[in-house]
Parts: sequence; structure tokens; C-alpha cells
Amino acid sequence: GENVEQHPSTLSVQEGDSAVIKCTYSDSASNYFPWYKQELGKGPQLIIDIRSNVGEKKDQRIAVTLNKTAKHFSLHITETQPEDSAVYFCAASIDFGNEKLTFGTGTRLTIIP
Amino acid sequence: ETGVTQTPRHLVMGMTNKKSLKCEQHLGHNAMYWYKQSAKKPLELMFVYSLEERVENNSVPSRFSPECPNSSHLFLHLHTLQPEDSALYLCASSQDVGGGLRDGYTFGSGTRLTVV
Repeated sequence: GENVEQHPSTLSVQEGDSAVIKCTYSDSASNYFPWYKQELGKGPQLIIDIRSNVGEKKDQRIAVTLNKTAKHFSLHITETQPEDSAVYFCAASIDFGNEKLTFGTGTRLTIIP
Repeated sequence: ETGVTQTPRHLVMGMTNKKSLKCEQHLGHNAMYWYKQSAKKPLELMFVYSLEERVENNSVPSRFSPECPNSSHLFLHLHTLQPEDSALYLCASSQDVGGGLRDGYTFGSGTRLTVV
């Protein structure tokens, strides 16, 4: 089955700087890669996703890049703000039929004011 | 509020108790999920229901018993739990199984369970 590794487990960034979280996956057939944000006391919320036919996707201050050859994908947050502080999870799956997501272990991002 | 409501938010129970976790969604989704979230571990999928029918049970111990009376409600019945079962239990829904890969999963805020 799929195995997803996520690094780093914790990340502290000065407000206004950029943050990068990286994930690797094992199953070369995986073609769907979402990122979830979990704020304190809440469940994870989908913030951005990418499919294997695209190398990069941006949504305002967040972007995700995918390198299928190397089997890794990354989340980039620019101009970080205090409200970006949360735990971020990457996930991977094959977008077919009843396939379900395999999640990474999460990254706790802290934005320092 | 995401549209998926879980109760209670916190639960402390002894190892001999019986309790139930409740999940409710009014998003019109057909698939519902139970996940276990433990510190420094990936989210663990426990059960998947599609149109009230269980489609997956990921080798979860029998002390966890799910119930899905209709497509809007999902329960997790707990009995004779162990301290290592202490975790955040998350409910999620998606349009249909596999639909979560198109539109994402909608998670509830979870029930923080402590077994003493």
C-alpha cells in the first residue's frame, strides 16, 4: 500500500517569511495529492490539492508543487501570517474508484510575530 | 462549523464503561468515515460507510462498533476500551466514496477521548 512521509514535524517561521513542507510517497500510481490544515480544536480542512497532470498549483499565498519522477510534493506558504499557525497534513491517493487517502504524520507550523 | 458535527467534544471513560460517539452531517453526502488521530501518527482510517452500508473495516478491534442508521448519522459505540485507545476521533464525509478525491473530505472537529 501507499506510504507517505512528511517533513519537518515542526516548523517555526518569522511572520512574513515563507514556509515549506515536504512529503514523499511510495506508490508511483498515486495521482492525487491534497493538503489539509488543522487548527487547534478543529478537524482538518482541505486547503489545496494537485493532480499528477499538473506540476504546480497556486491559490493566493499557498502553492503546491509535484515532482512525479522523484515522488515528492511540497506545500509553500508565502508572506506567512499568525493565522497560518496550524498542523498541516499531506496525503496521497490513486484517484480511481473507491481509493482512499493515505495521510502523512503532520507538520506543526508556528508563525512567530 | 464545517457541516459535520461531532458530539461530545470531550469524553473521559473508564475501561469498563460503554459510551457512544455521534457524528451528523447535512451536506447531502453519501459517504462517511471514522478516523483515529494519535499524536505523531498519520490519520488512521477505521471505518467507511457508503449509503449506510459499511464498505471498509480496517482491522479495527471489536471493542469499536460503528453504526450508520442513515446517510446523515454515524455512531461509534465504545466498550471495554484500553488506555492506548485514547485519541482524537474524527468523523468525515464526502459526496461518495472516491468523491473525497474530487471534492475533498469534510471533517468534524472530533471527540477527544481519554480512557482511564
